[in-house]
Amino acid sequence: GENVEQHPSTLSVQEGDSAVIKCTYSDSASNYFPWYKQELGKRPQLIIDIRSNVGEKKDQRIAVTLNKTAKHFSLHITETQPEDSAVYFCAATRNSGYSTLTFGKGTMLLVSP
Amino acid sequence: EADIYQTPRYLVIGTGKKITLECSQTMGHDKMYWYQQDPGMELHLIHYSYGVNSTEKGDLSSESTVSRIRTEHFPLTLESARPSHTSQYLCASSPSSYNSPLHFGNGTRLTVT
Repeated sequence: GENVEQHPSTLSVQEGDSAVIKCTYSDSASNYFPWYKQELGKRPQLIIDIRSNVGEKKDQRIAVTLNKTAKHFSLHITETQPEDSAVYFCAATRNSGYSTLTFGKGTMLLVSP
Repeated sequence: EADIYQTPRYLVIGTGKKITLECSQTMGHDKMYWYQQDPGMELHLIHYSYGVNSTEKGDLSSESTVSRIRTEHFPLTLESARPSHTSQYLCASSPSSYNSPLHFGNGTRLTVT
């Protein structure tokens, strides 16, 4: 089955700095990679996703990059703000109606004013 | 508004009690999931369903059971709660199409004393 490793487990940055969270996956057939943000006491919510036919996707201050050869993908947050403080999860799955998402263990991001 | 609803939001019960955590969605999704989230953040898949009368066990062994009699309803039952069942339980749903993101409920925080 799929195995997703996520690093770092915690990340502290100053407001305005950039933050990068990295994930690796083991199943070369995986082709869908979503990222979720979970604020304290709230539900995980999808913030961005990427499919294997593209190498990069941006949405305002967040971007995700994918390297299929190396089997890793990363989340980039620029100009961080205190409201970016949350736990971020990466996930991976293959193109099958019977597959389920495999999540990384999460990264706690703390943005200090 | 289409959403996924979990009740109760918080539950404190004594050891040995039978409990059912409710999950309903008005998203029109075929797939539904139960995740257990420990204090260390990690999300563990314990049950999932592809549709009515379909249920599967997830990656993490669980003493709970689920049923899927109606598309919109996916309750989770613990026949005899124990302190080791204390955790946050998150329900999620997704469309049946490939590479679709999960939509999570707000969760039930269960404490077994």
